Amino acid sequence: NAGVTQTPKFQVLKTGQSMTLQCAQDMNHNSMYWYRQDPGMGLRLIYYSASEGTTDKGEVPNGYNVSRLNKREFSLRLESAAPSQTSVYFCASSEGLAYTDTQYFGPGTRLTVL
Amino acid sequence: AQTVTQSQPEMSVQEAETVTLSCTYDTSESDYYLFWYKQPPSRQMILVIRQEAYKQQNATENRFSVNFQKAAKSFSLKISDSQLGDAAMYFCAYRRLGGGSNYKLTFGKGTLLTVNP
Repeated sequence: NAGVTQTPKFQVLKTGQSMTLQCAQDMNHNSMYWYRQDPGMGLRLIYYSASEGTTDKGEVPNGYNVSRLNKREFSLRLESAAPSQTSVYFCASSEGLAYTDTQYFGPGTRLTVL
Repeated sequence: AQTVTQSQPEMSVQEAETVTLSCTYDTSESDYYLFWYKQPPSRQMILVIRQEAYKQQNATENRFSVNFQKAAKSFSLKISDSQLGDAAMYFCAYRRLGGGSNYKLTFGKGTLLTVNP
């Protein structure tokens, strides 16, 4: 039982390049999330998926797209990377959106955009 | 919009002592949820404790307890008998009611806790 896994762990991009961050969970959770964490700031929600087949914008969705590929997988795509997207990205999952549903976080992806 | 403020960027405590981390929040809603998350150097986010705003009783989880003051919009975390493994960044978070497109979890900027042996 690996929990929430993310790939890659590190990535360096040039401005304008595209890439997809992958996330998978093996806990049969319904809900999944993408956050970014910048220095001196808490996590900010980019997008989330309440259940398979649905996605919603979070606090900072601009410049990103997501795909809930199936119940296990939730990917985050940067179509044209910008230096402002340099950050650590966390994926999380939970049973559902109820407040009692603990969010389990992946180890993060450190992305640098030059 | 909801905001969460953690006024202590860094705190330190001696092993076995008690430390309190502060958190205040701003909201116009009457019902909501509050959380404390721990982020150790491994970067994994771990839920420490949560509190429902409608409950007057303060939540406790082993050595961790909160002091929830709804009128003052204050939600502090007390760690008793501090251990070296408690060293981490601690985030306070606010969540309003509702799911679907109403889902929103707002984090503070964090407090870095150092535990001295």
